Amino acid sequence: ILNVEQSPQSLHVQEGDSTNFTCSFPSSNFYALHWYRWETAKSPEALFVMTLNGDEKKKGRISATLNTKEGYSYLYIKGSQPEDSATYLCAFNNAGNMLTFGGGTRLMVKP
Amino acid sequence: KAGVTQTPRYLIKTRGQQVTLSCSPISGHRSVSWYQQTPGQGLQFLFEYFSETQRNKGNFPGRFSGRQFSNSRSEMNVSTLELGDSALYLCASSLGGSRGGTGELFFGEGSRLTVL
Repeated sequence: ILNVEQSPQSLHVQEGDSTNFTCSFPSSNFYALHWYRWETAKSPEALFVMTLNGDEKKKGRISATLNTKEGYSYLYIKGSQPEDSATYLCAFNNAGNMLTFGGGTRLMVKP
Repeated sequence: KAGVTQTPRYLIKTRGQQVTLSCSPISGHRSVSWYQQTPGQGLQFLFEYFSETQRNKGNFPGRFSGRQFSNSRSEMNVSTLELGDSALYLCASSLGGSRGGTGELFFGEGSRLTVL
């Protein structure tokens, strides 16, 4: 059983704050690391799929980094807005076609 | 482009019954995977189908089964339902292929099953 852990489990920030959370995964047999955003009453939506060690990806105010050698990825949100409130999921792929998801980080941004 | 469609969205069953859930992937997507989410648990992988073949299976009992049709539509079936099977069942599609893990998943809105 692969262990994918996310921290913190939940996070409350004020509008305008920048924040980041962590996804840790096994450092062996790495294939890809996915990040998804899941808003209440909606479907999870892909943010990034990362495959290369040292990779950095950015979409608007959200960015992510990847360290496959030590088995972690960070997701950063700059200047959080209330609409960023959601659960952020990471998922690890170890050269199969099966994703192992972490438990998620629930972000709540207060106006 | 139509998204991933899951039916039914909500259903209530009693213990011992069986249930079939359906998933229509995005046109052109050949991989369909299924996930279960229960309160307090993350998304748990059930199985993945590609071109009508099951490529991967998660750690679930044999009561959970699935199949994929030639048009890539997929169904999952749960027999002899137990109270613990109450969950949100999500289907996701992707282009798939031999390096399918690098393709993002597109999720449906889920089927919420309640077992009484």
